[in-house]
Amino acid sequence: GESVGLHLPTLSVQEGDNSIINCAYSNSASDYFIWYKQESGKGPQFIIDIRSNMDKRQGQRVTVLLNKTVKHLSLQIAATQPGDSAVYFCAEDTGGFKTIFGAGTRLFVKA
Amino acid sequence: DAMVIQNPRYQVTQFGKPVTLSCSQTLNHNVMYWYQQKSSQAPKLLFHYYDKDFNNEADTPDNFQSRRPNTSFCFLDIRSPGLGDAAMYLCATSRDQGGMGEAFFGQGTRLTVV
Repeated sequence: GESVGLHLPTLSVQEGDNSIINCAYSNSASDYFIWYKQESGKGPQFIIDIRSNMDKRQGQRVTVLLNKTVKHLSLQIAATQPGDSAVYFCAEDTGGFKTIFGAGTRLFVKA
Repeated sequence: DAMVIQNPRYQVTQFGKPVTLSCSQTLNHNVMYWYQQKSSQAPKLLFHYYDKDFNNEADTPDNFQSRRPNTSFCFLDIRSPGLGDAAMYLCATSRDQGGMGEAFFGQGTRLTVV
């Protein structure tokens, strides 16, 4: 069945270090992937997206990498800041506006 | 500037008493979604509207219904809330951009069932 999962439920990093959050997906038909950030008590917030015809996309301090061969997605955050502390979800859209969220990774940034 | 607004932020309802959660948007997006999110879990899609077309997820209980009277508003009706329906309910919108488009989420309504 369709599923999106994460390898690490929690990640703790030192302020200023780079963070890498990983995600595995199982639906090879998925053609659009999104990373969301969710802070406590708030709704998820869009960070960055990538289509299946790409393998890398960069934003401001964030980079998403897509490896379709092994069905793996990662989010890299450069120079992690305390404000980056949140739960991060990868999500996949197989079309038809059905967005499936992964289990989430909680990122802790230590000052 | 809030673009997806959910009311109320917190809702307490009695077991079995119908409750309605509201969502409005100022983005003029054609797609609106309702998600259920329980503590420490990922949001789970309940259903979505593409314009006026309603799309229900196969595993969404019949207890959950939705209405979209116009582009801006969407409602989630829980006909007979059970204790297991206590959760955060998230409304989201997106614009069809060739079959893709990120979702914009509201702040959510936290539902407590007593």
